Amino acid sequence: EAQVTQNPRYLITVTGKKLTVTCSQNMNHEYMSWYRQDPGLGLRQIYYSMNVEVTDKGDVPEGYKVSRKEKRNFPLILESPSPNQTSLYFCASSLSEGERGNEQFFGPGTRLTVL
Amino acid sequence: QQQVKQSPQSLIVQKGGISIINCAYENTAFDYFPWYQQFPGKGPALLIAIRPDVSEKKEGRFTISFNKSAKQFSLHIMDSQPGDSATYFCAASNRNTPLVFGKGTRLSVIA
Repeated sequence: EAQVTQNPRYLITVTGKKLTVTCSQNMNHEYMSWYRQDPGLGLRQIYYSMNVEVTDKGDVPEGYKVSRKEKRNFPLILESPSPNQTSLYFCASSLSEGERGNEQFFGPGTRLTVL
Repeated sequence: QQQVKQSPQSLIVQKGGISIINCAYENTAFDYFPWYQQFPGKGPALLIAIRPDVSEKKEGRFTISFNKSAKQFSLHIMDSQPGDSATYFCAASNRNTPLVFGKGTRLSVIA
């Protein structure tokens, strides 16, 4: 089944404790992206990657890191989480040529709470 | 700067009625306008999309109307059903710009 998977689905952590949210897709997509969803703010892009070893900042990259060492994986790293990073996070992927005309497939989401 | 403005924030429609959600964009270089549907506990999923070379696209009960001169596009859900209750996001992009999403509209269809 073609899908985007994220782990963990739920995470409660404390301020300053490094964490990684994994994302993997099995559709051989070149483009991958991370979003956060907050009430009243919609979906905001954190980082995106056009291909392996190519990443770029989205609208709200502060406090996050990403890496794209393999085509299928795009982990999101929070080196020192803070309470304002409490949010619902989505990973997404699509075919090449970035966004244009290509459906983005979203993962099931990771609900993160930082105490 | 919010590039895609979506309204209303929430919408309640009677079963069988028409749901209308509107979006306005600023960047005239945008050339791809999708709508995503998100059910509680799920990720968004593509519902329908349009390019600016047509003014309307229909897929079943869902229609996108596009007004290039006004830089607006809207989603119409005909014969709205309780199963349509979800959050809807409009978005826009072009080859050089990642998808920019509106803030979402929470639709509730009541019987």
